Amino acid sequence: GAGVSQTPSNKVTEKGKYVELRCDPISGHTALYWYRQSLGQGPEFLIYFQGTGAADDSGLPNDRFFAVRPEGSVSTLKIQRTERGDSAVYLCASSLRGQIYNEQFFGPGTRLTVL
Amino acid sequence: SQKIEQNSEALNIQEGKTATLTCNYTNYSPAYLQWYRQDPGRGPVFLLLIRENEKEKRKERLKVTFDTTLKQSLFHITASQPADSATYLCALPSGGSYIPTFGRGTSLIVHP
Repeated sequence: GAGVSQTPSNKVTEKGKYVELRCDPISGHTALYWYRQSLGQGPEFLIYFQGTGAADDSGLPNDRFFAVRPEGSVSTLKIQRTERGDSAVYLCASSLRGQIYNEQFFGPGTRLTVL
Repeated sequence: SQKIEQNSEALNIQEGKTATLTCNYTNYSPAYLQWYRQDPGRGPVFLLLIRENEKEKRKERLKVTFDTTLKQSLFHITASQPADSATYLCALPSGGSYIPTFGRGTSLIVHP
């Protein structure tokens, strides 16, 4: 199919390690979003890209979190010095133009577990 | 910023009945409100969007209402089926951005 894909589907790491999570959006979608979701909660916004640039990174919890989208397609979310509190499902979504009424298409998520 | 309230208790109903889920928000009326469905282990799937100037929106067995006076949206599934069992999330823009903020979702369980 041509949906949003995310890799890996599961990632287990140790506290203090560095991780990268990848998102491949729907082809032609210029807007890309990262969320994280803890058990029993709704997705929590992290960062929004319009093309290659981060248009809104107000949801990143601290400077250990960083995301890039160098060619305006695939995006990588990078987490340095992971902490146990970073454990969650990290969701990626894309939309056609990122405009107000555009629906978001979500990927299946990456489940991150920090031991 | 907005606080979004969805009932944390699961809604259990019998097959064939109408399920009604509630989404309340606390502050200013948003430009739109969305409803998503999420199955375990999967990402949310968009269902419906209703704009601030719309009172009601329908799609097949789904109906969404938007009452800006009550600061509430209701999501209805008519003739519910066990396959409708999932968590339903509402989302609306918060703060100065059009990016949606999600509620925690309500679990719907339809019994055969």
